[in-house]
Amino acid sequence: QSALTQFASVSGSPGQSITISCTGTSSDVGYYDLVSWYQQHPGKAPKLLIYEVSKRPSGVSNRFSGSKSGNTASLTISGLQAEDEADYYCCSYAGSVTDYVFGTGTKVTVL
Amino acid sequence: QEQVVQSGAEVKKPGASVKVSCKASGYTFTDYYMHWVRQAPGQGLEWMGYINPHGGRTNYAQKFQGRVTMTRDTSISTAYMELSRLRPDDTAVYYCARVSFYYWYFDLWGRGTLVTVSS
Repeated sequence: QSALTQFASVSGSPGQSITISCTGTSSDVGYYDLVSWYQQHPGKAPKLLIYEVSKRPSGVSNRFSGSKSGNTASLTISGLQAEDEADYYCCSYAGSVTDYVFGTGTKVTVL
Repeated sequence: QEQVVQSGAEVKKPGASVKVSCKASGYTFTDYYMHWVRQAPGQGLEWMGYINPHGGRTNYAQKFQGRVTMTRDTSISTAYMELSRLRPDDTAVYYCARVSFYYWYFDLWGRGTLVTVSS
């Protein structure tokens, strides 16, 4: 099972909106509405941001939103803040054999 | 509060084995799968497999089959991940992460355990 494809880096100015894409296949992202997104600051464990494509856990800012079209999922960060500078990973359930596949990761830089 | 606490950093020689522990507290250990995810230096996240603490059933990523063993001790709410025949490219931070039986995302992560493989 190959990793989901993400652009290596995305940047934006404070207050702007950015979108991170995550492309898989018809066996993972395209088949299951079970895409999740994680934020990881340097030296820290990943933190759940979005689950089941577009749902936010309690405590996660509503500046983070998720969507999916076909084999591509997206994470949008609106009102970009300095604290949003981190690595972001998508993840999709991929069936009972492979179970989970992560994206290659996107580094977000706040200019 | 709910948390999973992992064992400390390890340094191993190539060919050796390492066993990392993950102790759960603040929730019912047997109500959630425990997954293991690793991250090589400067690289992305890689799913390794999971164990169902209720019964002990495991499922491993194909890449690690034959080298990884996940076990648990329900009496102390602890999951273990043992990786054998270590190679330098197994150098990574190993995370345990919880997944409910009813959903498909990782909602609680350990802080990670750095395993360094070097001669």
